[in-house]
Amino acid sequence: GAGVSQSPRYKVAKRGQDVALRCDPISGHVSLFWYQQALGQGPEFLTYFQNEAQLDKSGLPSDRFFAERPEGSVSTLKIQRTQQEDSAVYLCASSLADPHYNQPQHFGDGTRLSIL
Amino acid sequence: DQQVKQNSPSLSVQEGRISILNCDYTNSMFDYFLWYKKYPAEGPTFLISISSIKDKNEDGRFTVFLNKSAKHLSLHIVPSQPGDSAVYFCAAKAGGTSYGKLTFGQGTILTVHP
Repeated sequence: GAGVSQSPRYKVAKRGQDVALRCDPISGHVSLFWYQQALGQGPEFLTYFQNEAQLDKSGLPSDRFFAERPEGSVSTLKIQRTQQEDSAVYLCASSLADPHYNQPQHFGDGTRLSIL
Repeated sequence: DQQVKQNSPSLSVQEGRISILNCDYTNSMFDYFLWYKKYPAEGPTFLISISSIKDKNEDGRFTVFLNKSAKHLSLHIVPSQPGDSAVYFCAAKAGGTSYGKLTFGQGTILTVHP
């Protein structure tokens, strides 16, 4: 498809389980971002990739969160030993160029993660 | 600290009238501002943006105004249509070594009545 694709759309896990969330950015987009959105709030930045390089992970809330983009296209956000406070919508966004060029980020529909 | 604030949680407007959504920011390093629209169970959709070197940008029914001295941003929708009913987020990007991360406001729910 032409847009950012995320899978799964919904994920339910028990506390303590590991989860993996996938993002397929728009083809050719250099920049890829992950955001976390709590109910009733705006998205909050987690991490940024320029091609395969993770240049900013300042928003990752703990060392249980890990992201990768090994070939500079598809990205995976992994959460280990999930906690109830990890329940949120996880959004992926991509943009064509590196951030020095002011271009909009285009978002996927997100993965809604529920931790029981 | 909330660097981007949307102080109105909701706004109700009659079809055909103007909708004005407001956003305030505190970080003077922000150099690029965006508005996104979000329907339930979907991701944010980009609407319009403005660079800090401009004070106005227009795209069809949507106009964004930037007042740098007041650190204030607004989105005007004219005329408003029922399909515009959604949550609207303003977002900002800082220059320098921010790597392009967007800082979002909390959102404003716009309802356009037929």
